[in-house]
Amino acid sequence: DTAVSQTPKYLVTQMGNDKSIKCEQNLGHDTMYWYKQDSKKFLKIMFSYNNKELIINETVPNRFSPKSPDKAHLNLHINSLELGDSAVYFCASSQTSQGTNEKLFFGSGTQLSVL
Amino acid sequence: GQQVMQIPQYQHVQEGEDFTTYCNSSTTLSNIQWYKQRPGGHPVFLIQLVKSGEVKKQKRLTFQFGEAKKNSSLHITATQTTDVGTYFCAGPNAGKSTFGDGTTLTVKP
Repeated sequence: DTAVSQTPKYLVTQMGNDKSIKCEQNLGHDTMYWYKQDSKKFLKIMFSYNNKELIINETVPNRFSPKSPDKAHLNLHINSLELGDSAVYFCASSQTSQGTNEKLFFGSGTQLSVL
Repeated sequence: GQQVMQIPQYQHVQEGEDFTTYCNSSTTLSNIQWYKQRPGGHPVFLIQLVKSGEVKKQKRLTFQFGEAKKNSSLHITATQTTDVGTYFCAGPNAGKSTFGDGTTLTVKP
């Protein structure tokens, strides 16, 4: 059983399209995250949710909209995709909020390529 | 805001050589974590250090947390091809983890 699963694994799309990435965790964790990893492998947090409530919203274009229907799911919708959005997007979860630097469990990533 | 810097960015070694990556924070950290990301994979938690001067070992990997809790290192003794990947340190910052830029290790057999 995969602890943190995200779909799709690969996403190839044209500029201007809208796409979604889904994430689910079966660990019973309270907090979920979206991270973006660029071509240089830099990992940057985008959003975090604790029990469906948005708690971290980094400087991310408002074309990116996370949605958490329940604490086990955190989806990421991206409008009007741009070339610069091409990256690997990782979903992650932790037992509680990262205030105490909880151990992160990452999904396998979604490689997004915008053409 | 807090910055976590990691060096070197890349390291190429011959199998059997040692490897070290260093992590430095601009502020004192309450703790630090290390993650490993295999090529094509996702980051996987390795360890967390909490105490000043703490040293922990996992087989050939030795993790250290500096006395001032502003730096940390990961040392691998006698690297193997299975050690290839990118190693990240991460420190807590305002309710989230700030990741270092990572050190990508390649091992030549």
